[in-house]
Amino acid sequence: DIQMTQSPSSLSASVGDRVTITCRASQGISNFLAWFQQKPGKAPKSLIYAASSLQSGVPSKFSGSGSGTDFTLTISSLQPEDFATYYCQQYNTYPLTFGGGTKVEIK
Amino acid sequence: EVQLLESGGGLVQPGGSLRLSCAASGFTFSSYAMSWVRQAPGKGLKWVSGISGSSGSTYYGDSAKGRFTISRDNSKNTLYLQMNSLRAEDTAVYYCAKGKGSTVTTSFSDWGQGTLVTVSS
Repeated sequence: DIQMTQSPSSLSASVGDRVTITCRASQGISNFLAWFQQKPGKAPKSLIYAASSLQSGVPSKFSGSGSGTDFTLTISSLQPEDFATYYCQQYNTYPLTFGGGTKVEIK
Repeated sequence: EVQLLESGGGLVQPGGSLRLSCAASGFTFSSYAMSWVRQAPGKGLKWVSGISGSSGSTYYGDSAKGRFTISRDNSKNTLYLQMNSLRAEDTAVYYCAKGKGSTVTTSFSDWGQGTLVTVSS
C-alpha cells in the first residue's frame, strides 16, 4: 500500500497567516493527489484534485502543488472558517489511502 | 445539486451484519464511481471500498476483504455496503463519496453526511 505522510500533524496559526501543509507519498503517484477539509462533526469537503486543481466553488485562497512524491496545500490568508483538519489522499493505486491529517488551530 | 444520503447505521453485536445504503441524486449515478470511506471515533479517514460506474468493478481495502460487499443499483440510484462478521474495530462513521470519474481511481467530488455504525455487545 502507498503510505501518505502529512506534516505537521497540527499547527497553530493566526487569522491572516499563510499556512502550508505538506504530504509525502511512499512512492510516486504522479499528480493523483487530493486534499480535503473536515470540520468537527461534519463530513469531509473536497478542496483540490489532481494535486493543484480547485474543486468547483472552492475559494482561490486554497492552492495545491507538487508531483511524484511531495505535495503541498497552501492557505494564503487564514480565516476563521478555515480552522479545521486537512487530509491528503492518493488515488493513483488501490487501496486509496489518506494521510493522517493536519489539525489547524487558532493561535 | 449533488445529494448523497446514507442510512442503515446503528448498533450491532460483534459477529453481526448490517447493510448501509447511500441514496444519490442530482447527477447521472451510473456514470460515476462511488466509494465508502469510514472514520473511527477521533481518528482519520480510511477508504473501505469502491465500485466503478456502469461496469460495476469492485475494490476493497484490507479491512473489508472477505467481510464486506459493495454494490450499486443504478436503476434506484443507490449504493450499498453489506457488512458481515462485524468487529468492534469496525465502529465508525461511514461516508459514501462520489467520484469525479467512472473509475475507482478517481478523486472524490462530493460526500454524504455519514451514518454511524457501532459494534458492541
